[in-house]
This record gives sequence, structure tokens and C-alpha cells, in this order.
Amino acid sequence: AQSVTQLGSHVSVSEGALVLLRCNYSSSVPPYLFWYVQYPNQGLQLLLKYTSAATLVKGINGFEAEFKKSETSFHLTKPSAHMSDAAEYFCAVSDAAGFQKLVFGTGTRLLVSP
Amino acid sequence: EPEVTQTPSHQVTQMGQEVILRCVPISNHLYFYWYRQILGQKVEFLVSFYNNEISEKSEIFDDQFSVERPDGSNFTLKIRSTKLEDSAMYFCASTQGLGETQYFGPGTRLLVL
Repeated sequence: AQSVTQLGSHVSVSEGALVLLRCNYSSSVPPYLFWYVQYPNQGLQLLLKYTSAATLVKGINGFEAEFKKSETSFHLTKPSAHMSDAAEYFCAVSDAAGFQKLVFGTGTRLLVSP
Repeated sequence: EPEVTQTPSHQVTQMGQEVILRCVPISNHLYFYWYRQILGQKVEFLVSFYNNEISEKSEIFDDQFSVERPDGSNFTLKIRSTKLEDSAMYFCASTQGLGETQYFGPGTRLLVL
């Protein structure tokens, strides 16, 4: 069975500081990995995804993530936080095969202070 | 830009009543999904649907739940007899093909009283 662990239910940064949101996965088959963002009272928007191509994946809004198989990690980073980045971030994993249901982590709420 | 739409945005119902949540996936997408998010918890997979049949379902998706695509555009989730614990945000998602991005709708917030 696949699973995702997100360390830290809340992360606080100052505007302009580095954002690092951690995600570790468990999968017995080659995984696809995703980061989604959820703004208050909205649906889920894809930030970026890893589907076995380049291990460093660039997404929208200046975010990127690196797939590290040896560490079973897919941490999300952004060099400089903006106030508008404040949201809930979900890491998710799916099978590379099958019908590819997404298995989500518990989410990390990013708080950005001025 | 095409998007997944869901109606209603909010639904309040009495325990034991039937509810139907509606979704209009992106028009050329072939794979459809329902997920739910209980308040304060993570998003959970309910069911996937392809070629007019369920392809996978979770243990949450019991006999009280059903899905169908009654026409070429709508994708519905029915809960026959709602329970208090069905209160959640329900998200529909669709994708054009396996390995492609799943696009999510804005969700329907269901409250069962």
C-alpha cells in the first residue's frame, strides 16, 4: 500500500524566507508524486508533479521539488516566500500503473508573516 | 481554461436523506474520481470511474454510495441514506489519461444534521 507522510502540520516563515515543506513516501511500485495547494474555501490546485522524468521538478508560483529515491522524499521548496503563498499544501502519491488514485498526506499549513 | 465544476457548492441535509452531488468534468477527460475531506483531515479517495464502470473503490465507498455518468457530461455521486459522519467536503476530479494531471473541482460541502 502507498502512503505519504508530511512532517509538520504547520510551518511558519517570514516573507522572503526559504520555504521547505517535507514529504516522505512509501510505495512498493514506482510512484508518481504530486504537490497540491488548497487556498481557503477552494479546491485543490496542482503545483507540480513527478512522473519518472527529471528528478528536479519545477512547478507554478516558483515552487520546485526534488525526487530522492534513496531518501524516499519529495520535499517542496521555494526560495522566497510571499504572503500569497499562505495556504494548505498536500503531498500525494499514486501508482505509475493502475487507475492512479491519489493517496494524500495530512497536509501542511504554511503561514507567512510580514 | 477548462475546469471541473461541481454543484451545489453547499448542501445541508437531514440524516437518512438521499443526496446527489453533481460534477461536470473537463469535456475530453476519460477518467473520473471522487474524493472527500472531512473537516481538518486529509483528502481521501472514494472511487474511480472509467468506461462507464467503477475501476477502483475504497473501503469508505460502501453500499450507501453509488456513482454514475447519466449523460455525456455529468458525473454524480449519490449517498442513499446519509449519516452524520458523511459530513465532509466532496471533490470531483478528472483526467484525460493515466499519468496525466488530475484536475479537481471546487468541492461540495455536505453537512448532515
